[in-house]
Amino acid sequence: EDQVTQSPEALRLQEGESSSLNCSYTVSGLRGLFWYRQDPGKGPEFLFTLYSAGEEKEKERLKATLTKKESFLHITAPKPEDSATYLCAASNQAGTALIFGKGTTLSVSS
Amino acid sequence: DAGVTQSPTHLIKTRGQQVTLRCSPKSGHDTVSWYQQALGQGPQFIFQYYEEEERQRGNFPDRFSGHQFPNYSSELNVNALLLGDSALYLCASTRGLSTDTQYFGPGTRLTVL
Repeated sequence: EDQVTQSPEALRLQEGESSSLNCSYTVSGLRGLFWYRQDPGKGPEFLFTLYSAGEEKEKERLKATLTKKESFLHITAPKPEDSATYLCAASNQAGTALIFGKGTTLSVSS
Repeated sequence: DAGVTQSPTHLIKTRGQQVTLRCSPKSGHDTVSWYQQALGQGPQFIFQYYEEEERQRGNFPDRFSGHQFPNYSSELNVNALLLGDSALYLCASTRGLSTDTQYFGPGTRLTVL
């Protein structure tokens, strides 16, 4: 069964303290790996799409990378406004439905 | 550029009732997918509509049904509501059946009492 697992479940950082979130996947025929940010009670906000191992994407303090088994979301010098739940999702060869992990809730304190 | 819109924002129903949720896709998008997100969990795929047909379905009972209209907007219907149907219902849109990014709406919070 296709599965996406995220770790850690929760992460507390001090402002400026860099870290990484992990997303491991077992998906038959990965077609795409997606990262979203979700604020409480709101819909997921798109961050990155990665299609092949070795690919990297960057946006402000965030950088996403992809290997054949996992993806990382690196957060450099985070700020309190980066506090949110970060969701990882994958689509497989069966179609374009997204298979989500449970998310990592990030809290950044000043 | 209008993003994905959903209505209503919140809804309270009682067990056994029926509910209809609505979604308008992002401008230029013709494919709509629905997801259910329970508290503290990641979204779970319900089904996807393209060209007014259900193209893919997740592991949800027949109580969950949908429809897509010629203008690409979509409805999600849930019959015989259970307490466990309480969740945030998310609509996402994209172009065609490619692996293009899916963009999500703000969601509809359904509470079943």
